[in-house]
Amino acid sequence: DGGITQSPKYLFRKEGQNVTLSCEQNLNHDAMYWYRQDPGQGLRLIYYSQIVNDFQKGDIAEGYSVSREKKESFPLTVTSAQKNPTAFYLCASSADRRTDTQYFGPGTRLTVL
Amino acid sequence: EDQVTQSPEALRLQEGESSSLNCSYTVSGLRGLFWYRQDPGKGPEFLFTLYSAGEEKEKERLKATLTKKESFLHITAPKPEDSATYLCAVREGGGADGLTFGKGTHLIIQP
Repeated sequence: DGGITQSPKYLFRKEGQNVTLSCEQNLNHDAMYWYRQDPGQGLRLIYYSQIVNDFQKGDIAEGYSVSREKKESFPLTVTSAQKNPTAFYLCASSADRRTDTQYFGPGTRLTVL
Repeated sequence: EDQVTQSPEALRLQEGESSSLNCSYTVSGLRGLFWYRQDPGKGPEFLFTLYSAGEEKEKERLKATLTKKESFLHITAPKPEDSATYLCAVREGGGADGLTFGKGTHLIIQP
């Protein structure tokens, strides 16, 4: 059963802590993306990766970091430098950068206590 | 200035009452326009990709159309299970690989 998985579903963080959100896909897709969703706003792009060992900043990369060591995995770290991290985080993938359609995972809801 | 604007923000319909959702965009060199459905607390579910003006795509009670400035998502004889937030997104040619999203239309279908 192919798809995108994200874990955990809910995550709570204390101020000053770094946390890592997991994203895994078994669709054999080259490209992967991280978006952030806040109430009343559209999804905003944080980081994206078109191929293993390569990634680029999106519109709101400050306070976040990523890695792409394996094709199927694209973890996102929310660092203490991110001033307002409470949000719904969505991971997506597409077959390659020429194939535009992106498919989304179920999301991780991060809350800062 | 928003590049993707969706209207209305919210829409309440009776079961069987057809209507349309609008997505207007201002990006230059449109590479693709996308429609997604999102249920509360879930990730967006892909519905359609449209690439050029005049293109239309259908799936069950949904039909998406595209012009040079906007897209419509037509819902024919909706059922309560069609209740969701519908998201529109665009990809600009030559830009970053991510999508630019509108804020969505929250659709409620009453039995």
